[in-house]
Amino acid sequence: GQQVMQIPQYQHVQEGEDFTTYCNSSTTLSNIQWYKQRPGGHPVFLIQLVKSGEVKKQKRLTFQFGEAKKNSSLHITATQTTDVGTYFCAGPNDMRFGAGTRLTVKP
Amino acid sequence: DTEVTQTPKHLVMGMTNKKSLKCEQHMGHRAMYWYKQKAKKPPELMFVYSYEKLSINESVPSRFSPECPNSSLLNLHLHALQPEDSALYLCASSQDQGRDTEAFFGQGTRLTVV
Repeated sequence: GQQVMQIPQYQHVQEGEDFTTYCNSSTTLSNIQWYKQRPGGHPVFLIQLVKSGEVKKQKRLTFQFGEAKKNSSLHITATQTTDVGTYFCAGPNDMRFGAGTRLTVKP
Repeated sequence: DTEVTQTPKHLVMGMTNKKSLKCEQHMGHRAMYWYKQKAKKPPELMFVYSYEKLSINESVPSRFSPECPNSSLLNLHLHALQPEDSALYLCASSQDQGRDTEAFFGQGTRLTVV
């Protein structure tokens, strides 16, 4: 299956700061999905990106899919304590997850 | 109903026990997944069922035996587990394995092997 690499592994920010996590693949992806897992919870679907260069927004979250469809990013503007959790990207078809980025937010 | 229900929520079992984890969804999804998640690690894919047939087995030890009795149910039979098998076991479903649809996860079964 297609493996996606995700960085950084951890990110600690002050509330109000921005946050970005990146996923990269050595092969072209037909799509990429993003999930959030709160501490003690289960992964919850956030979004799917399909088109080259696609940008989607959900309130303070901005998701991008690279032109070559080999990389993707999730950017959170002005983090809040409710953003705490681990953000995973997942490759298509077989639902294998990246390593995840654990976000902690200091109030 | 967009729920995936897993039972039990918690399970403690000895290394000689046989137990089963259950997963149920009523969304008409035809792909179902088992994941294992250790603390501070990503979910690790174990098995994928597509249209009630096993389509992916990630070289999982035979002490884990999946079963898909019908399109709504997915079981994971456990036998002779090791303490290192202690983890959160997550079930997920999606409309179709081959199509671009989101996966819905259950709350998981937290398994402790003693």
